[in-house]
Amino acid sequence: AQSVTQLDSQVPVFEEAPVELRCNYSSSVSVYLFWYVQYPNQGLQLLLKYLSGSTLVKGINGFEAEFNKSQTSFHLRKPSVHISDTAEYFCAVSVGGAQKLVFGQGTRLTINP
Amino acid sequence: GAVVSQHPSRVICKSGTSVKIECRSLDFQATTMFWYRQFPKKSLMLMATSNEGSKATYEQGVEKDKFLINHASLTLSTLTVTSAHPEDSSFYICSAVEGGLEKLFFGSGTQLSVL
Repeated sequence: AQSVTQLDSQVPVFEEAPVELRCNYSSSVSVYLFWYVQYPNQGLQLLLKYLSGSTLVKGINGFEAEFNKSQTSFHLRKPSVHISDTAEYFCAVSVGGAQKLVFGQGTRLTINP
Repeated sequence: GAVVSQHPSRVICKSGTSVKIECRSLDFQATTMFWYRQFPKKSLMLMATSNEGSKATYEQGVEKDKFLINHASLTLSTLTVTSAHPEDSSFYICSAVEGGLEKLFFGSGTQLSVL
């Protein structure tokens, strides 16, 4: 069965510093990959997604992610974070075009002034 | 853009009562809707897949008689937690799809607290 691993449960960084949130997946077939952000007591907001095409995907709020098939990774990056980026971030995978998603455990990003 | 509305956003109920949560696609027809459950500080776990006009498909370990799902129209799916108990307290989130993965959207979630 497919799975998603977010290696860091918590990531503290200083404001305006760069950040990378790691995501690895396990699947032997084609995958589609997503990053979502969740603010406290709210639903999920799509940051970006990889369905096909360029492996470097740009999303909202200055985030980007790169699909690396050989390393089965889809790490999320932002060159300079802001206090407002403090939230929970979830990586998710869809296998073979299935519409249901498998989520990683989540990474809590905390931005310190 | 497409919006998925989930209602209520928060509900508190007594143990033994039933609670209904609605998930509506506001500007598109959702051929499929999904229901997820999120425990505090945990990830989202898929509970069931709901297709309009047919029975929901439940994930392993999810009690279908406990969590009743109805997808009566292309814009509405409901999740009813029957005879709720404190262990059912959780954050429930729905998602809706129109066609393919390019049009997959999440609701804002419902925080259920069972006393």
